[in-house]
Amino acid sequence: GAVVSQHPSRVICKSGTSVKIECRSLDFQATTMFWYRQFPKQSLMLMATSNEGSKATYEQGVEKDKFLINHASLTLSTLTVTSAHPEDSSFYICSAFDRGTEETQYFGPGTRLLVL
Amino acid sequence: DAKTTQPPSMDCAEGRAANLPCNHSTISGNEYVYWYRQIHSQGPQYIIHGLKNNETNEMASLIITEDRKSSTLILPHATLRDTAVYYCMDTGRRALTFGSGTRLQVQP
Repeated sequence: GAVVSQHPSRVICKSGTSVKIECRSLDFQATTMFWYRQFPKQSLMLMATSNEGSKATYEQGVEKDKFLINHASLTLSTLTVTSAHPEDSSFYICSAFDRGTEETQYFGPGTRLLVL
Repeated sequence: DAKTTQPPSMDCAEGRAANLPCNHSTISGNEYVYWYRQIHSQGPQYIIHGLKNNETNEMASLIITEDRKSSTLILPHATLRDTAVYYCMDTGRRALTFGSGTRLQVQP
């Protein structure tokens, strides 16, 4: 299947700093990417939909000024957690639709963020 | 909220078939049934999807009832590496809504 990568896989930062997470589709183009987060022992929760060349669409309760999303190309979307706090510590996962089929989403391996 | 219901957990003996059920009674005519699994601390892995016909690939088989209100994912010969949380979702071309899934434990 199609491959989606994320970088970094793990990050530890101090409270108040910003962290950027990259999501790349390696062997396909993705007009739409999604960002999820997962807290311990919980299921994945959709944060936002990232559309290439336009503004992201955020789910209710997700602050767009705190979680900045940029989808500058058909293979790259970035999520920046601004002024991170300990409650932002979570497992962040992106997914991408294969533009060719637009039937199946492929997920990245996830980024574990720990804010001290 | 997720539109599908799955049993919270199941056990299966290694080498035996694992049959994971899913109810999706409110599925629309143009919505597919998707199955993913998540092994601990990893991103979800796509398994299979279908619309109304049964499907088979190298990982699993998907059996969809004629009324499309339920389906069963079949892992024909479960291995210890198949231990994971399995998610069934019905969706069109939009983001996936994850429920609680079924935690499958493959026993040696």
